[in-house]
Amino acid sequence: AQKVTQAQTEISVVEKEDVTLDCVYETRDTTYYLFWYKQPPSGELVFLIRRNSFDEQNEISGRYSWNFQKSTSSFNFTITASQVVDSAVYFCALSEAGANNLFFGTGTRLTVIP
Amino acid sequence: GAGVSQSPRYKVAKRGQDVALRCDPISGHVSLFWYQQALGQGPEFLTYFQNEAQLDKSGLPSDRFFAERPEGSVSTLKIQRTQQEDSAVYLCASSLYSGQAHDEQYFGPGTRLTVT
Repeated sequence: AQKVTQAQTEISVVEKEDVTLDCVYETRDTTYYLFWYKQPPSGELVFLIRRNSFDEQNEISGRYSWNFQKSTSSFNFTITASQVVDSAVYFCALSEAGANNLFFGTGTRLTVIP
Repeated sequence: GAGVSQSPRYKVAKRGQDVALRCDPISGHVSLFWYQQALGQGPEFLTYFQNEAQLDKSGLPSDRFFAERPEGSVSTLKIQRTQQEDSAVYLCASSLYSGQAHDEQYFGPGTRLTVT
């Protein structure tokens, strides 16, 4: 069975602080894909990143970075120097090879205070 | 616009009414997905189309839920005899290629259904 856990329900930070959003996953497959999506107040899910299970290289994209560790089944997301526009709900998701769907965590609501 | 569009954005239905929710995917996208997002939860998979074929409907919660994509583009999610537990945001997503969920999915803004 697949499972995605985002233990942090809500996080508040002051603008310019760094913040890390945690994601822990469970799957029996050896081939799988992990995602992060952002859901701003408008409601539309915005794709941020996809990693496959064979690529544990960390990735940096501007102020965003992701740390994938198979040993701990975690795929954490860090925002550096947070901005008010980063305020949103962030979802971690998993898909197993051959699956038709994404399996989402319950999300972390990030509020960046000016 | 070039994105996924959904209509209506908001729908209020009285318990027992039928509703139809529409999704216009990105032109040329082969795959189309429907998800249900309850308040404070992550989206949950409902069903998947590859062109006009409904290949997976394992997530539909009951036989009151029905989806179609007759010409392989626009899709409609129909809920018959709505119940209060059907209140949620219904999200549609499309992806360029067929099958695999690891392809990037582009989401619409959702339809917020409230059943009173």
